[in-house]
Amino acid sequence: AQTVTQSQPEMSVQEAETVTLSCTYDTSESDYYLFWYKQPPSRQMILVIRQEAYKQQNATENRFSVNFQKAAKSFSLKISDSQLGDAAMYFCAYRSENEKLTFGTGTRLTIIP
Amino acid sequence: GAVVSQHPSWVICKSGTSVKIECRSLDFQATTMFWYRQFPKQSLMLMATSNEGSKATYEQGVEKDKFLINHASLTLSTLTVTSAHPEDSSFYICSARDVTVNTEAFFGQGTRLTVV
Repeated sequence: AQTVTQSQPEMSVQEAETVTLSCTYDTSESDYYLFWYKQPPSRQMILVIRQEAYKQQNATENRFSVNFQKAAKSFSLKISDSQLGDAAMYFCAYRSENEKLTFGTGTRLTIIP
Repeated sequence: GAVVSQHPSWVICKSGTSVKIECRSLDFQATTMFWYRQFPKQSLMLMATSNEGSKATYEQGVEKDKFLINHASLTLSTLTVTSAHPEDSSFYICSARDVTVNTEAFFGQGTRLTVV
């Protein structure tokens, strides 16, 4: 079974600064997808970014980018120019070949004005 | 992106009664939907995988007779919590994926269930 570990229960960053959220995973599969989801107080899960394991290039979406290290099974999220609206719980997730999503325990991100 | 609608957003029920939660994919067909449970300040835990036209597949430790799942059409899956107890109070979230297009899963807005 796959496991996803987020070692930072809470993080904070000054507005306009950059923050990196960590995620590691364990799997024996060779083909899979990785995701970062954001869950604001409304509790609606919002996709931030996704990465296909077979792609070496790190995914980017505007201010959000990942550092995907397949050999190390690491998938960190970098948020640049942090904004107040970025405050939320962030979940790292692994999608296996059977379509199931396994989530990490989450990191609560606070933006300091 | 695609829209998944979950209803109701919140519900309060008495112990011993049953509650049905609906999950609809509004603009795509979802052969597979997933049901999650999230306790306060915790992560999402997969409860079951709902397959259109067949029985749901439950994760280990999830009582299938208590959490009835029906996926009667390509756009609707329902989760019924039977004989609800206070310990069933939680946040339930569904997700669906359009497998004809290689996209991510989209989530409903969740249902907060409180059993009194």
